[in-house]
Amino acid sequence: DSGVTQTPKHLITATGQRVTLRCSPRSGDLSVYWYQQSLDQGLQFLIQYYNGEERAKGNILERFSAQQFPDLHSELNLSSLELGDSALYFCASSGSAYQETQYFGPGTRLLVL
Amino acid sequence: DAKTTQPNSMESNEEEPVHLPCNHSTISGTDYIHWYRQLPSQGPEYVIHGLTSNVNNRMASLAIAEDRKSSTLILHRATLRDAAVYYCILRAPQLKYSGGSNYKLTFGKGTLLTVNP
Repeated sequence: DSGVTQTPKHLITATGQRVTLRCSPRSGDLSVYWYQQSLDQGLQFLIQYYNGEERAKGNILERFSAQQFPDLHSELNLSSLELGDSALYFCASSGSAYQETQYFGPGTRLLVL
Repeated sequence: DAKTTQPNSMESNEEEPVHLPCNHSTISGTDYIHWYRQLPSQGPEYVIHGLTSNVNNRMASLAIAEDRKSSTLILHRATLRDAAVYYCILRAPQLKYSGGSNYKLTFGKGTLLTVNP
């Protein structure tokens, strides 16, 4: 158990819909990262937040957005969903130390029908 | 980010040592070498990391070539639980802490390790 929790575990929805994925980092970790894992693209970094502020952006679509709240949990919002958005979405957290290890949650499996 | 090259797959027998290679010929002098693994149906987990010297921890050992253009992750006695995809990742250091802006991980395709009973 990494200490990172993600909900829901599974999500099935239809094209055009909007969903919210939630992540609670390990206690004390200030950074939250979101990654997407699909069969064709592998594991890809989407976005990072540190103590409530966006710090880095990767291959995140404009239809996707995220935020980190004062209690440090984070939400990833996916809108106007397309079939190709079906993937595993992982959240990871790390502390504030130099070269800190990232701890990954169990992921949310999203299926868009 | 500098690129790493790993074999697509490797096979091992239970309780035998496993050597997982990674080539990173364009590594910069300050890049750290990290290894993560992803067990089936789970999120990635940290295994080990190093800069120049060989490193050991309870999970594995990391052997780094003298020229740093390659490294090898060593599992001393493979178990069935070690069957996973292993990722070799290079990470640039933060010269000055700035809230983790360079901390993202860039995953390649990794090596799928199969462990036979």
